[in-house]
Amino acid sequence: GQSLEQPSEVTAVEGAIVQINCTYQTSGFYGLSWYQQHDGGAPTFLSYNALDGLEETGRFSSFLSRSDSYGYLLLQELQMKDSASYFCAVRTYNQGGKLIFGQGTELSVKP
Amino acid sequence: ETGVTQTPRHLVMGMTNKKSLKCEQHLGHNAMYWYKQSAKKPLELMFVYSLEERVENNSVPSRFSPECPNSSHLFLHLHTLQPEDSALYLCASSQAPPARDGYTFGSGTRLTVV
Repeated sequence: GQSLEQPSEVTAVEGAIVQINCTYQTSGFYGLSWYQQHDGGAPTFLSYNALDGLEETGRFSSFLSRSDSYGYLLLQELQMKDSASYFCAVRTYNQGGKLIFGQGTELSVKP
Repeated sequence: ETGVTQTPRHLVMGMTNKKSLKCEQHLGHNAMYWYKQSAKKPLELMFVYSLEERVENNSVPSRFSPECPNSSHLFLHLHTLQPEDSALYLCASSQAPPARDGYTFGSGTRLTVV
């Protein structure tokens, strides 16, 4: 089967750094994506890793280790607006490149 | 505006009603998807259309019926739903086969079955 595991919730303070981990089991692995979803809104694409290593996009970075079936999203200089749910998702080769999502991590940023 | 537009944003329907959800994208993508998002659960993939052909039906009950008349439009026809079908229904589009950029999601239709 295919499954992803990530923490259900994380709390941090403004200006801090937070890391959201994701472990996965899947066949036909192509890459690991991260999405942000504010309450009541559309999930929005943050980052994508197909190869091992770190990808940096502004305050957000994402890491992948294919051998460990593990990745993480790193958020730096946290802001109140970063409070949202964060989903890791595995993209597979099969049938249109479908995304399989984790359950999501609810991040609360406190003053 | 996300590039993927879903209508209606909210829908309340009785168990005997028939309704349709609409999704439209003008991003030039060739794959479209329906996901169901229930509270405290992962996004659940329902249907995948690639090049207007349905390539996956993820064990979804027949009371949900998708339609993809062209690469820009996707519908989800609903009939005789159950209260447990109440959820946020998200449409997404992407390039297929996989490319570096991700899915673009619509804002969803919040469905309540009474």
